[in-house]
Amino acid sequence: AQKVTQAQTEISVVEKEDVTLDCVYETRDTTYYLFWYKQPPSGELVFLIRRNSFDEQNEISGRYSWNFQKSTSSFNFTITASQVVDSAVYFCALPLGATNKLIFGTGTLLAVQP
Amino acid sequence: DGGITQSPKYLFRKEGQNVTLSCEQNLNHDAMYWYRQDPGQGLRLIYYSQIVNDFQKGDIAEGYSVSREKKESFPLTVTSAQKNPTAFYLCASSPQGGARSYGYTFGSGTRLTVV
Repeated sequence: AQKVTQAQTEISVVEKEDVTLDCVYETRDTTYYLFWYKQPPSGELVFLIRRNSFDEQNEISGRYSWNFQKSTSSFNFTITASQVVDSAVYFCALPLGATNKLIFGTGTLLAVQP
Repeated sequence: DGGITQSPKYLFRKEGQNVTLSCEQNLNHDAMYWYRQDPGQGLRLIYYSQIVNDFQKGDIAEGYSVSREKKESFPLTVTSAQKNPTAFYLCASSPQGGARSYGYTFGSGTRLTVV
């Protein structure tokens, strides 16, 4: 079965702390993409990154980094030196087999306190 | 700029009324989707359409209806048969066959409240 698990429902940190959001997935596909989206309080889901299962190199974009490990079926997201503007719900997503649909985890609410 | 427009941003419905949520995109995407979001439950798929004049039920289609008469538009009607319609509704789109590789583009959502 295809499944995305985000076990952390809510995380609260103080500004400038580092924080890691976990994503574990199950898929029967041998090649696939994984995605992270950010949903700020305004509501719109904003695309952050996609990752191809062929490429297990870590990805870094400014304060954001992603650690993809196919051996453990995980695609974790780390924010370094968190800021209040990082407060949002973060979703991990996986394509649903051969369909043109994504399945989402339940999301992790990140609250960054000043 | 290309994107997805959802309207209205806030909508109030009386018991027994049908209401229609608008979703328009100018991205030239073939596929469009409607999701419902409730606190703590992530995103649940209501309906999706891969091409004009065709659509399929998602996981929670009961009490909802859609149409896809134009490529740009995918309105969602919440009928009186939907027993608990209060939620945040998100519309999304993707190129045909592109969701697997490129994911979705989302609208800004409509918050529906039953009064």
